[in-house]
Amino acid sequence: DTEVTQTPKHLVMGMTNKKSLKCEQHMGHRAMYWYKQKAKKPPELMFVYSYEKLSINESVPSRFSPECPNSSLLNLHLHALQPEDSALYLCASSRHRETGELFFGEGSRLTVL
Amino acid sequence: KQEVTQIPAALSVPEGENLVLNCSFTDSAIYNLQWFRQDPGKGLTSLLLIQSSQREQTSGRLNASLDKSSGRSTLYIAASQPGDSATYLCAVRFPTGANSKLTFGKGITLSVRP
Repeated sequence: DTEVTQTPKHLVMGMTNKKSLKCEQHMGHRAMYWYKQKAKKPPELMFVYSYEKLSINESVPSRFSPECPNSSLLNLHLHALQPEDSALYLCASSRHRETGELFFGEGSRLTVL
Repeated sequence: KQEVTQIPAALSVPEGENLVLNCSFTDSAIYNLQWFRQDPGKGLTSLLLIQSSQREQTSGRLNASLDKSSGRSTLYIAASQPGDSATYLCAVRFPTGANSKLTFGKGITLSVRP
């Protein structure tokens, strides 16, 4: 099983809403990632968790708040977003942070009105 | 600066053709290189991973090679099919201090004509 599951698949929110994106993997991977992808661009790294600890934050605005409750779950909490934050948000996991093969979920398509 | 380049940005070929997608990178000190496929509006599907110590990997009709000294990788697709139409992304994991970072190329959008 090489599956990373993301929910919801689509999310529409206003600029004053609070919502969360969720990601789950059961491959025993110890590194989990959040990426943001705009149309016709490659994914951009946002956060990396390694062994449930935040190891990389790519200077992401505080309106995005990641959380790793356990080794299988990764959340991205959203608050006071801007329309320019509309994008495809991709979760990924790998067995190890440095050498592991990355497996991506199908993404959550976010629209901020 | 560690960069990954994929040229051309788009490619159109007739069905059945064997084709090569190119990827170049600026720093030979890498952990690994991974090729992905992405269909429109979907996530990325891992195709092949080549570790720094390896020269090539094969999966079905796909073969990926790695030449660290020249900073190049190629993805060879044999007997292309319309179902191979997608964007192909090359990503290189570079060491960055205490961490490592996966850097993506901009991708090659492949169209295989029936």
